[in-house]
Amino acid sequence: GAVVSQHPSRVICKSGTSVKIECRSLDFQATTMFWYRQFPKQSLMLMATSNEGSKATYEQGVEKDKFLINHASLTLSTLTVTSAHPEDSSFYICSARDLASGFSYEQYFGPGTRLTVT
Amino acid sequence: GQNIDQPTEMTATEGAIVQINCTYQTSGFNGLFWYQQHAGEAPTFLSYNVLDGLEEKGRFSSFLSRSKGYSYLLLKELQMKDSASYLCAPYNYGQNFVFGPGTRLSVLP
Repeated sequence: GAVVSQHPSRVICKSGTSVKIECRSLDFQATTMFWYRQFPKQSLMLMATSNEGSKATYEQGVEKDKFLINHASLTLSTLTVTSAHPEDSSFYICSARDLASGFSYEQYFGPGTRLTVT
Repeated sequence: GQNIDQPTEMTATEGAIVQINCTYQTSGFNGLFWYQQHAGEAPTFLSYNVLDGLEEKGRFSSFLSRSKGYSYLLLKELQMKDSASYLCAPYNYGQNFVFGPGTRLSVLP
């Protein structure tokens, strides 16, 4: 149990276009999902916290108008990178907390999405 | 705020033991996570320490000293597949994860 999927796993897009990444909790409900970004040889950096039915909370320095987050249901959150540029090329990982879990801290990570902007 | 420090890279030989250290300074603290991440993959959970002391889980053990703001991950009988990045993440209840910079471990034959 506690599986999180991401789609697509890899995407290549042209500069100026928008890309949508989906994060799904497959066998549990998640009120909270997290979006991370990871550049090569660096650690995961939290971008935003996505709460079902409400606006996402963005970390300092993350442009909310560029990285649009929608958490429309208890099993799906989407991250849209708008007007992507080469510097947005990165590994994007989502994670989710299980609503029913007794451990409020536990997170389950998706497999990640490799975005390349040309 | 938080300040987390880990060695950037470590190298060890197959079959050996390696200790990866993590020091942290946080405004609040409930416990500390260790994650393993292979290149191009998502992190996988290794351990979560709440109390001081050593917790052993097979080849991997994790130690915590809350008073010193210090933790380490001990890997025994190293295997080639242990080559990965190891991330520590001090956790404060109700707040989000902040991962340390990660330690890239290379296991050599």
